[in-house]
Amino acid sequence: NAGVTQTPKFQVLKTGQSMTLQCAQDMNHEYMSWYRQDPGMGLRLIHYSVGAGITDQGEVPNGYNVSRSTTEDFPLRLLSAAPSQTSVYFCASSLTGAPWTEAFFGQGTRLTVV
Amino acid sequence: EDKVVQSPLSLVVHEGDTVTLNCSYEVTNFRSLLWYKQEKKAPTFLFMLTSSGIEKKSGRLSSILDKKELSSILNITATQTGDSAIYLCAVPTQGAQKLVFGQGTRLTINP
Repeated sequence: NAGVTQTPKFQVLKTGQSMTLQCAQDMNHEYMSWYRQDPGMGLRLIHYSVGAGITDQGEVPNGYNVSRSTTEDFPLRLLSAAPSQTSVYFCASSLTGAPWTEAFFGQGTRLTVV
Repeated sequence: EDKVVQSPLSLVVHEGDTVTLNCSYEVTNFRSLLWYKQEKKAPTFLFMLTSSGIEKKSGRLSSILDKKELSSILNITATQTGDSAIYLCAVPTQGAQKLVFGQGTRLTINP
């Protein structure tokens, strides 16, 4: 049982480049989300999805795009990378409409934008 | 605006000490509060507290929810170096569609 899988684990981008962070889960969870973690700021929600075809914005959505074409996958796209997007990114999933139950996190992607 | 605040932000103690971590929240339609432990990578779930389950315990860790004070504490007794981690508190908001996290408490246990 793989749980939540994120790729890549590390990435260095130049300012202005675009890239996609991948997230896949095999638990048939409807709810998936992306967070970024910066020192002293906890985890902040970027985008979330309550099911295939449905996405919505979190606290810090600017500069990021998401789509949810399948239940399993929830990729996060950086449209034009900026140094302010240097962070650790976590994908999480949980049961239908209920992130108040335990959320399962991926291992994170450490992104550096230079 | 929904908010979760943790204190202290950082704590250093000696092995064997008891520690208390704090989490306070301001959210509409409170449903539950969750505690996570984050070591080197992904946060892992510790406890969920609700109106019907205000106290949880697992080994040396325990947590209590105070709905009157809008807060929760996480206690760790007889600390070990393996307890060193960031402890995160989170509360679901907006119809349970969003999880708002506190800043985290970085706990360091020295041998």
